[in-house]
Amino acid sequence: TQLLEQSPQFLSIQEGENLTVYCNSSSVFSSLQWYRQEPGEGPVLLVTVVTGGEVKKLKRLTFQFGDARKDSSLHITAAQPGDTGLYLCAGISGGSNYKLTFGKGTLLTVNP
Amino acid sequence: DTEVTQTPKHLVMGMTNKKSLKCEQHMGHRAMYWYKQKAKKPPELMFVYSYEKLSINESVPSRFSPECPNSSLLNLHLHALQPEDSALYLCASSQVPEKYNEQFFGPGTRLTVL
Repeated sequence: TQLLEQSPQFLSIQEGENLTVYCNSSSVFSSLQWYRQEPGEGPVLLVTVVTGGEVKKLKRLTFQFGDARKDSSLHITAAQPGDTGLYLCAGISGGSNYKLTFGKGTLLTVNP
Repeated sequence: DTEVTQTPKHLVMGMTNKKSLKCEQHMGHRAMYWYKQKAKKPPELMFVYSYEKLSINESVPSRFSPECPNSSLLNLHLHALQPEDSALYLCASSQVPEKYNEQFFGPGTRLTVL
């Protein structure tokens, strides 16, 4: 079983603060994705990183894929209450390309 | 159209009922998925259809029966469920994955089994 370890599991911060969520594995992933899920809704794809060392920016969100393609991070600058949700990293590592391995998620609460 | 729709939004059923969940996408995706998700946990894969054929069944109990009538529709038939089956059921679709698998999820059906 290929595991993705996410940390922290829970994060509660004030509006305006910065934060980083980590997704780590002992296995190499051909790509990693980040999803955000709001309460009562399905996950929404934020980004896919494919190349080792890749950095992608989506407004206040910065995603990085480790050089060895075993880890990824999500950094949010000046968090807003609308950023509240469950953040999930997911990827394919060997086996069937149809099966995504999900991390356990980071539940982020941004307080106004 | 980049939307996956699911109906119903909420469902309450008894253990002897038979019900069905429906999912639809019009993105031309040929892979469709059913997931089960418990509160504050990641989605757990149940079934995968590729080109309208069942390609993965993650050892799901037979009280869950998937069906893919055509490339746009995916159903999940429910019969004799248990209270522990109460969860959010998510449908997703994707292009047939090669190097990566970008899935588009529907909003889910919140199922309560009494």
